[in-house]
Amino acid sequence: GAGVSQSPSNKVTEKGKDVELRCDPISGHTALYWYRQSLGQGLEFLIYFQGNSAPDKSGLPSDRFSAERTGGSVSTLTIQRTQQEDSAVYLCASSLPDGMAATQYFGPGTRLLVL
Amino acid sequence: AQSVTQLDSHVSVSEGTPVLLRCNYSSSYSPSLFWYVQHPNKGLQLLLKYTSAATLVKGINGFEAEFKKSETSFHLTKPSAHMSDAAEYFCVVRTNAGGTSYGKLTFGQGTILTVHP
Repeated sequence: GAGVSQSPSNKVTEKGKDVELRCDPISGHTALYWYRQSLGQGLEFLIYFQGNSAPDKSGLPSDRFSAERTGGSVSTLTIQRTQQEDSAVYLCASSLPDGMAATQYFGPGTRLLVL
Repeated sequence: AQSVTQLDSHVSVSEGTPVLLRCNYSSSYSPSLFWYVQHPNKGLQLLLKYTSAATLVKGINGFEAEFKKSETSFHLTKPSAHMSDAAEYFCVVRTNAGGTSYGKLTFGQGTILTVHP
């Protein structure tokens, strides 16, 4: 079936504006993850969803970042009052009901540029 | 706590020669280990994974990796490089920490592989 999809693929915004990034996981994947890939920090974990709840939000860098998931499917990552340091590629991954062997499948990412 | 160190930020090989990308990990519990590849402007693709079964793991495109607990290593190898192997490779660790079964991934800094004709 279809893989993980993310939209938009690219987003350019002005400092101070809010942005929403969307992730559509693979059908049936109850676990969903957001990561961020930036030049200075590499790939870092942001948040994990199991169903609609987020047991681990420890990677969110500040209270300007939030995420939700509805219907156990689509997830939205929102960044409020964007800053230039938020510029990065935001990656979403999903996996089957979780366990150590579960493979995370990644989407193509949303490239965010804050001017 | 868990961490991953990829020992080389760049590796350059000639087409047809062996590839070795080195990775060391640190984990308080039994880890699962992965190698992902990222081609330019493409998403991350799983190459192979180790989850406490056989220590020698075979992946896609002729890649394999060996889990060595005594050395805390999980190096990626391929006998003969192809031009299409040029990409960035990430070593990744996932730990089942004290009953927590979900799998937050911790990524290494990446190794860029260049393949010369």
